[in-house]
Amino acid sequence: AQKITQTQPGMFVQEKEAVTLDCTYDTSDQSYGLFWYKQPSSGEMIFLIYQGSYDEQNATEGRYSLNFQKARKSANLVISASQLGDSAMYFCAMRVFSGSARQLTFGSGTQLTVLP
Amino acid sequence: EAQVTQNPRYLITVTGKKLTVTCSQNMNHEYMSWYRQDPGLGLRQIYYSMNVEVTDKGDVPEGYKVSRKEKRNFPLILESPSPNQTSLYFCASSLSPSGTADTQYFGPGTRLTVL
Repeated sequence: AQKITQTQPGMFVQEKEAVTLDCTYDTSDQSYGLFWYKQPSSGEMIFLIYQGSYDEQNATEGRYSLNFQKARKSANLVISASQLGDSAMYFCAMRVFSGSARQLTFGSGTQLTVLP
Repeated sequence: EAQVTQNPRYLITVTGKKLTVTCSQNMNHEYMSWYRQDPGLGLRQIYYSMNVEVTDKGDVPEGYKVSRKEKRNFPLILESPSPNQTSLYFCASSLSPSGTADTQYFGPGTRLTVL
C-alpha cells in the first residue's frame, strides 16, 4: 500500500519569499509518479507539477519546483517568490504504475498562507 | 472548453434517501475516478474506472456504487446515504490509466450533507 505524509498542517510565508512544503512517501514499487495539487478556497483542484520516479532532474514549472530525493523518499514543493494568490491548501499525491491499479493516493495537505 | 462537470454542486439530503451525483467529461478520457475529501484526511479514492464497463474499488468504497456505461459519464450512487457520508466529493478524469505523467483533471466538487 502507498502512503503520503505531509507533516505541516499549516505554513506562513512572507510575500516574495520562497517556501518549501514537505512531502514524504512510502511505496515498495519502483515505478511511480508524484504530483502536487493546489486547492484555493474556491475548492477546485489545480494540478501544479509532476515528477516521475525515473526522472533524473527535478521538475520545474514556472515558480514551482519539486525537490525530489529518491533515497529519502521525499518530494518537497518549493514555491519561489510567493504571491498572495498562492494562499491555498496544497496536496502531495502519488500514483504507482505497476499492476492494474492506477490509484492516486493523497496526503492530508498543507494550508499555506502568504502574508503581505 | 475541456472540462469535468459535476451535478449537483451542493446537496442536502436525509438519511436513507437514494441520490446520484453525476460526472461528465468532454475530453474522451479513459480513466475516471471519484474521491471524497474530509478535513485532515486529504482526498481518498472511492471508485475508479479504467474504461467503459470496467470499474474497481478504491480505498473507501463502502456505501457507494458507480457505473460506466458510456465513456464520458461516471455517476456516483449512494443507495442509502448516512451522515458519515457528509463530505466534499470530486470526480476526476485522465486520458489513459497507463500514462505516467498523465494528469488527472478534477471537477468542481459536490458538497453533500446527509442529515
